[in-house]
Amino acid sequence: EVQLLESGGNLVQPGGSLRLSCAASGFSFSDYAMNWVRQAPGRGLEWVSVIGGRGAATFHADSVKGRFATSRDNLKNTIYLEMNSLRAEDTAIYYCAREKGDCRKGLCYIDSWGQGTLVTVSS
Amino acid sequence: QLVLTQSPSASASLGASVKLTCTLSSGHFNYAIAWLQQQPEKGPRFLMGINSDGKCTKGDGIPDRFSGSSSGAERYLTISSLQSEDEADYYCQTGGAGLRVFGGGTKLTVL
Repeated sequence: EVQLLESGGNLVQPGGSLRLSCAASGFSFSDYAMNWVRQAPGRGLEWVSVIGGRGAATFHADSVKGRFATSRDNLKNTIYLEMNSLRAEDTAIYYCAREKGDCRKGLCYIDSWGQGTLVTVSS
Repeated sequence: QLVLTQSPSASASLGASVKLTCTLSSGHFNYAIAWLQQQPEKGPRFLMGINSDGKCTKGDGIPDRFSGSSSGAERYLTISSLQSEDEADYYCQTGGAGLRVFGGGTKLTVL
């Protein structure tokens, strides 16, 4: 059974930093790209970042580019989201999600989700 | 530009069927998508993936009442024999090179 467990969410002041983790189990971790997706209170789902299976390729949404960084440790079956220069609009539940397929051909989608971790940016 | 379009709301009666639509932007009609369900105060749940040829891959434990289909730019989610617990937000999602996209979501009300 695929399991994704996020941790690290907290209350942080504007301009501060935070690191989220997502521990994966139940599948061959390095074979899958992994995503971070967030959901602000009362809003829809917003894609944040994706990291390839080997960790060589990462892409970030324009809204977080230059402030957030995504990495993974395939020995620990864990991905990370390093968040810097946090703003009030970054307040959201952050989900870790597994992706299947080949996005270069438009044949990919997210097929597993964690339960999320709450990040609140406020003074 | 890769965009997914969904109607903001839909409604249907208990026991009836409803068909939700997700429309892919021009130039991306061959893309696969995922349908997700998000019940109130819960995280997203993968329902199924749908290819452009209509082939569906369901998530574990998803009832047969949920089915998917495809036609051109559109990907459909049909829910039959509606139950009260089907009242939820439904999102579609896809990905391209360096980008992942969500539709705005459809809020389904079961009357």
